[in-house]
Amino acid sequence: DSGVTQTPKHLITATGQRVTLRCSPRSGDLSVYWYQQSLDQGLQFLIQYYNGEERAKGNILERFSAQQFPDLHSELNLSSLELGDSALYFCASSAGTATYEQYFGPGTRLTVT
Amino acid sequence: AQSVTQLDSQVPVFEEAPVELRCNYSSSVSVYLFWYVQYPNQGLQLLLKYLSGSTLVESINGFEAEFNKSQTSFHLRKPSVHISDTAEYFCAVRPSGGYQKVTFGIGTKLQVIP
Repeated sequence: DSGVTQTPKHLITATGQRVTLRCSPRSGDLSVYWYQQSLDQGLQFLIQYYNGEERAKGNILERFSAQQFPDLHSELNLSSLELGDSALYFCASSAGTATYEQYFGPGTRLTVT
Repeated sequence: AQSVTQLDSQVPVFEEAPVELRCNYSSSVSVYLFWYVQYPNQGLQLLLKYLSGSTLVESINGFEAEFNKSQTSFHLRKPSVHISDTAEYFCAVRPSGGYQKVTFGIGTKLQVIP
């Protein structure tokens, strides 16, 4: 158990809908990272927050957004969903912005039908 | 920008046989290198990392990786695999200066055959 929790574990929704994925980092970790894992693209970095502020951005679509709240949990919002958004979404956390090890949550499997 | 290439998408190997999972990277600056493991239905876990110093790094469960700067490689090896090593292995890289995002390879599925 990494100490990172993600909810829900599974999510099935229809195209055009909007969903919110939630992540609670390890106790004491200030950084949260979001990744998308799909069969054809592998593990893609989406976005990082550090202590409530956006710190780095990767291949995140404009339809996707994220935030980190004062209690350090984070939410990833996916809107206008398309079939191609079906994937595993992982959250990871680390103590700081430049620490070496990221601790991954178990993931949320999103299926868009 | 940096990139990571994992040359094998799947590697089947018999139990107790040796294995090598290959990883090559590309970067214009010095880097830190990582191997993560993902067991079925779980998130990724850090297996080992190279930051500086000895180019040979080891994990607690018998894996080792060697940083080869001239060949820009960081191959993962284990002399004798167990069924429990069946998992997907990801090589990752990030620049060593300041904060930069980690870039992951596409992963190699290790299938240990009894």
